[in-house]
Order: sequence, then structure tokens, then C-alpha cells
Amino acid sequence: NAGVTQTPKFQVLKTGQSMTLQCAQDMNHNSMYWYRQDPGMGLRLIYYSASEGTTDKGEVPNGYNVSRLNKREFSLRLESAAPSQTSVYFCASSDLDRGTSYEQYFGPGTRLTVT
Amino acid sequence: AQSVSQHNHHVILSEAASLELGCNYSYGGTVNLFWYVQYPGQHLQLLLKYFSGDPLVKGIKGFEAEFIKSKFSFNLRKPSVQWSDTAEYFCAVNARNAGNNRKLIWGLGTSLAVNP
Repeated sequence: NAGVTQTPKFQVLKTGQSMTLQCAQDMNHNSMYWYRQDPGMGLRLIYYSASEGTTDKGEVPNGYNVSRLNKREFSLRLESAAPSQTSVYFCASSDLDRGTSYEQYFGPGTRLTVT
Repeated sequence: AQSVSQHNHHVILSEAASLELGCNYSYGGTVNLFWYVQYPGQHLQLLLKYFSGDPLVKGIKGFEAEFIKSKFSFNLRKPSVQWSDTAEYFCAVNARNAGNNRKLIWGLGTSLAVNP
């Protein structure tokens, strides 16, 4: 049981390049989330998927797109990377539909640098 | 809109000192409350949570937190910190009956440094 996995762990992009961050969870959770973490700004929600087939914008969705490929996988795409997207990206999942406590489980993160 | 406020951004303590990190939230309805910890270079891990019942909850590594509904607070405490507690601590709230209760509202975090 690996929990939440993310790939890649590190990435360096040039301005304007595109890339997709991958996230998968093996806990059969319905909901998945993408956050970015920047110094002094805490965690900011980019997009989330409450259940398979649905996605919604979070606080900072501009410049990103997401795909909920199936129940396990939730990818984040940067179509044209900008230096302002340099950050650490975390994927999380939670199981909201069993009356549980809305706890989120986090992946190890992807450290992205855009030059 | 709901919000979470963590009063201390940076805390520096010596080993064996007591710790209390403040967390206040703004939402009048039913809440779930969480404290997460992020050790240097690692991902966030759940420290403890309040869902219902006893407002004093105990978590891992000797941490505890008390939910005081009248004060909209969920402060984190530890009687005696260790160097290994050096980390960033995040408070988060889920507003269970709000329009969108599938998200957590996060505080900005408190960076704790424990000197040996």
C-alpha cells in the first residue's frame, strides 16, 4: 500500500515549456487535490476532484489544467510554464463518502523550477 | 468565507520547553479540525484531528490539541519539545455543512525550530 505517489520528484523547465505532473493513490479515495506550497504562503489549492469525472477550481487555478483519468489518477498540466510557477506541488486524496473525518493524505511532492 | 489563522509564524524553543501553537478559525457551524506536520524536505503528515466527542485530542509524538468551540480555537500543545520536532505545523479546518465541504481551509503554517 503505497498511499499517494507523485512523479517526478524534481523537474526543471524553461519558460514556455509544458509538462504534466502525475499523481496516483491506491486507497480507493474518491477525492483528490493539487496544492502548491510557497514560502510564507502555506498551501494553496490549485484544483480538486471531488469524485471521478468531476474537477473544480481552487484558489489559484490560472496557468494549470487537470485531468481525473480514473479513480486512482489525477494529473496536473502546465501548458506554458512561467517562473511564477516555481514551487513545490503536492497531491492529496481523501475519502469523503464514508462519513469519515475529511482527512487528506499527501504525496511526497514535486519540486518544480521554471527558469 | 471561512478562514484559518495561525498566530505564530516562527517559533524558536530550546529542548524540553513547552509548546503551544495557536489556531483560530472563522466558521460558526460544525467543523473537523486538523493539525499537520511537515518535517524538513518531507510531505505533510497528520499529527492529530478532531471529528467529534472529547475536545481534547491526542496525536502522535506526544502532541495534543484542545478544541474550544466558544473561542473557535484548536491550539496545539506539547509539554516538552525535542530537537526532532523541528518542522512546519499547519492547522486546517473542514466546514462540514458549508456549501462546499470537500476542501480543507489551511492556515499559513508555523515554523518551529528547536535548539538542542
